[in-house]
Amino acid sequence: DTAVSQTPKYLVTQMGNDKSIKCEQNLGHDTMYWYKQDSKKFLKIMFSYNNKELIINETVPNRFSPKSPDKAHLNLHINSLELGDSAVYFCASSQSFSDTQYFGPGTRLTVL
Amino acid sequence: QKEVEQDPGPLSVPEGAIVSLNCTYSNSAFQYFMWYRQYSRKGPELLMYTYSSGNKEDGRFTAQVDKSSKYISLFIRDSQPSDSATYLCAMSAGGATNKLIFGTGTLLAVQP
Repeated sequence: DTAVSQTPKYLVTQMGNDKSIKCEQNLGHDTMYWYKQDSKKFLKIMFSYNNKELIINETVPNRFSPKSPDKAHLNLHINSLELGDSAVYFCASSQSFSDTQYFGPGTRLTVL
Repeated sequence: QKEVEQDPGPLSVPEGAIVSLNCTYSNSAFQYFMWYRQYSRKGPELLMYTYSSGNKEDGRFTAQVDKSSKYISLFIRDSQPSDSATYLCAMSAGGATNKLIFGTGTLLAVQP
């Protein structure tokens, strides 16, 4: 069983489009995260939700909007995609915000 | 200056060698220290988790934290080709947000 899953695994799209990435965890964790990993492998947090409440909102353009319909899901919607949005996006979860984080397999986004 | 510095490598060693991976950091509030391993095109997986200063051993892996020097290390004994991956250090100050700050990762190649 996959603990943290993401769909799609690959996403190729044109500049200006709107796209969504979905994340689900079956670990019963309360806290979920979105990270962005750039071409140099640098992993940086974007958002964190605890029990569906936004906890961390790093300096991320307004075009990025996370949505947590329930504790097990955290989706990421991106409007008006730009070339610089090309990266691998990782979802993660932890039991609470003070516990270790477990990562999903990533979604490789390419904006043309 | 980045909060966490890590030599990106690549580091190439022969099978059976002892590998030493290191990170330095500038934020004295960091209390939780982690090492993640990331295989190509996969999500990071937690290897070691240490609180405050000291050593922790798990099989062939040993994590060391020296808070006075703001320096952490991961040692891999009897390295195997299957250890070839990118190793990311991560740390946090804990608290209400538990924001993880990652190093840029060190690419390790263990040659058979």
